[in-house]
Amino acid sequence: GAVVSQHPSWVICKSGTSVKIECRSLDFQATTMFWYRQFPKQSLMLMATSNEGSKATYEQGVEKDKFLINHASLTLSTLTVTSAHPEDSSFYICSPRRASSYNEQFFGPGTRLTVL
Amino acid sequence: GIQVEQSPPDLILQEGANSTLRCNFSDSVNNLQWFHQNPWGQLINLFYIPSGTKQNGRLSATTVATERYSLLYISSSQTTDSGVYFCAVSTGANSKLTFGKGITLSVRP
Repeated sequence: GAVVSQHPSWVICKSGTSVKIECRSLDFQATTMFWYRQFPKQSLMLMATSNEGSKATYEQGVEKDKFLINHASLTLSTLTVTSAHPEDSSFYICSPRRASSYNEQFFGPGTRLTVL
Repeated sequence: GIQVEQSPPDLILQEGANSTLRCNFSDSVNNLQWFHQNPWGQLINLFYIPSGTKQNGRLSATTVATERYSLLYISSSQTTDSGVYFCAVSTGANSKLTFGKGITLSVRP
C-alpha cells in the first residue's frame, strides 16, 4: 500500500498565529515530499519540493519565510504557515514520492486551513 | 513548462452510463497519473500510466505517449464516481507533477 496521513485535517486560527501541518508516509519511505495548495474549485498548485535532509525548493511566488518546510526524515515532513492571514486560507495537501524505480506520487488527505 | 488540458470540463451522467475523459499534454512525459478527488478533498490514485493500457474494475485508462494524450474510461457509472478527476504529468526523472484543471463529474441516480 501507500498510506499517507496528514494532521490536522482541519484548523481554524486567528490572524497572526502560526499553524503546523504534519505529513507522514506510514508504510513507505519518501525521499521527496511535495506540498500543494488548492483553492475552491481550482486545481492543485505546487508550493514547494523538499528532499529528506535538504532545504526545500519553493515555486515562484511562494514565500519561503512564510511557508516553512521541514523534511527531517523519510517518513515525516511538516509545513508551518507563519503569521497566517485570511488570504492563506486554503486546502493544503502533502504528496510523498516513494523511493523506487517509479516516480508515482501519493497524496495525503489534506488540511483545510481557515484564518479568521 | 508542460501544458495539460483536460476535457470536457464538466460532465453529467445518468447512473449506469459510460464516459470517456480526456487528457492532452504538450510534451513527452515519463509520468502520467489519473486521480479522483472525492467531495472531502482526498485525492485517490486511479492509475499510474505513462504509456499503455490498464484496467481496474469499471475503470480503465489508455495513454498514447507518441500522440500525447490519455483517456480514462468509466463504465456503468455510479453516484460514488462523482467528484473531480485530475490528470497530472511530469517530465524527467525527478520532475514535479503538473496538474490539469480537472473534470467535474456528476452522476445522477
